[in-house]
Amino acid sequence: TAGITQAPTSQILAAGRSMTLRCTQDMRHNAMYWYRQDLGLGLRLIHYSNTAGTTGKGEVPDGYSVSRANTDDFPLTLASAVPSQTSVYFCASSGLAGGTGELFFGEGSRLTVL
Amino acid sequence: GQNIDQPTEMTATEGAIVQINCTYQTSGFNGLFWYQQHAGEAPTFLSYNVLDGLEEKGRFFSFLSRSKGYSYLLLKELQMKDSASYLCAVMDSNYQLIWGAGTKLIIKP
Repeated sequence: TAGITQAPTSQILAAGRSMTLRCTQDMRHNAMYWYRQDLGLGLRLIHYSNTAGTTGKGEVPDGYSVSRANTDDFPLTLASAVPSQTSVYFCASSGLAGGTGELFFGEGSRLTVL
Repeated sequence: GQNIDQPTEMTATEGAIVQINCTYQTSGFNGLFWYQQHAGEAPTFLSYNVLDGLEEKGRFFSFLSRSKGYSYLLLKELQMKDSASYLCAVMDSNYQLIWGAGTKLIIKP
């Protein structure tokens, strides 16, 4: 079973360029999330979506945008990358909107912005 | 502000027992989660506590005291594969997850 698939696995990006991280899940989960993970810090929520057609801002949304056109896909876009966006990005989903259920994570996308 | 505290790193011996503590200060409480994350991999769910007391899942036990803002994850009969980071996360009154920075557990033979 695939679960959650993220792409690309890793990417080096020049500052100022745009980039879309893809996330697809096959579990028909309503809720999806994008986190970034940086050394010494807890996971930080960037954006979330409780159901297809709706999105919300998390703790660190600046410089990022998302869309949720359907249940399965939740892409994260960096319009103009900056070095502080160098991080590991995790997409996650939950069967329960509101987040009371366990999260299922993708394998992560390691992004380096130079 | 909201805060989750857990030790940065712990070392234990194969076959032994280790307890990883987590203290929290959050705006409300709707449950506490523990996740395991091996190096270079995604976090995976271990346990969920919403009421005081001890939950058991095989060799792993998770404890919660809401009055003390405290939880621990107890791992028994440690195996080398238990070497990983353990993430504590609390769901606040807005159902937002607040994450600790994680505890890196090193298992030595």
